[in-house]
Amino acid sequence: KAGVTQTPRYLIKTRGQQVTLSCSPISGHRSVSWYQQTPGQGLQFLFEYFSETQRNKGNFPGRFSGRQFSNSRSEMNVSTLELGDSALYLCASSPSSGTGVRANYGYTFGSGTRLTVV
Amino acid sequence: AQSVTQPDIHITVSEGASLELRCNYSYGATPYLFWYVQSPGQGLQLLLKYFSGDTLVQGIKGFEAEFKRSQSSFNLRKPSVHWSDAAEYFCAVGPTSGTYKYIFGTGTRLKVLA
Repeated sequence: KAGVTQTPRYLIKTRGQQVTLSCSPISGHRSVSWYQQTPGQGLQFLFEYFSETQRNKGNFPGRFSGRQFSNSRSEMNVSTLELGDSALYLCASSPSSGTGVRANYGYTFGSGTRLTVV
Repeated sequence: AQSVTQPDIHITVSEGASLELRCNYSYGATPYLFWYVQSPGQGLQLLLKYFSGDTLVQGIKGFEAEFKRSQSSFNLRKPSVHWSDAAEYFCAVGPTSGTYKYIFGTGTRLKVLA
């Protein structure tokens, strides 16, 4: 079955602009999580959505937001881009939310969107 | 607070040599443990995971990892490294009741000498 699909793969934006990234989870997966990866901070959790509701949120400013649609596809938005937002943004999907075996067992990452802010 | 430590930032081995990448975690109970590999410009590929049971787990590409509760460790091993194994490796703890998110180590970059 198809994996987690993230689009676009690469983006170049100018400081001050906004950007929207998309993530299509594995069919049947209802939880989508987003992570930011930078050389300095490593992999940091942004937020998780389940059944169109944000379940958990990491320690990022309000410029970072997301949403999930009824088909479980998710988007994340970054407004007023800063140079420090340049990163690889990874999305992961899971059959369920929470901390149980089912949530952990099926956790699958996409290939990411590389965002460069100039 | 829950954390994952990968003490080695860089490791260089010769092709055909054995490999061990270290990972230590901080968590009160037994967490869900994972090893991922990331090639340049790519996403994360799951190598193996430990949930419970046998403490030696086998993964893809000939990798294995051993969970040692007494040492809070989950080290990754491979008996004979191939040049294609050069990549960055991440150890992670899965969502728990305290965090509800993956927590990753800082990664170990593996270089393989021909």
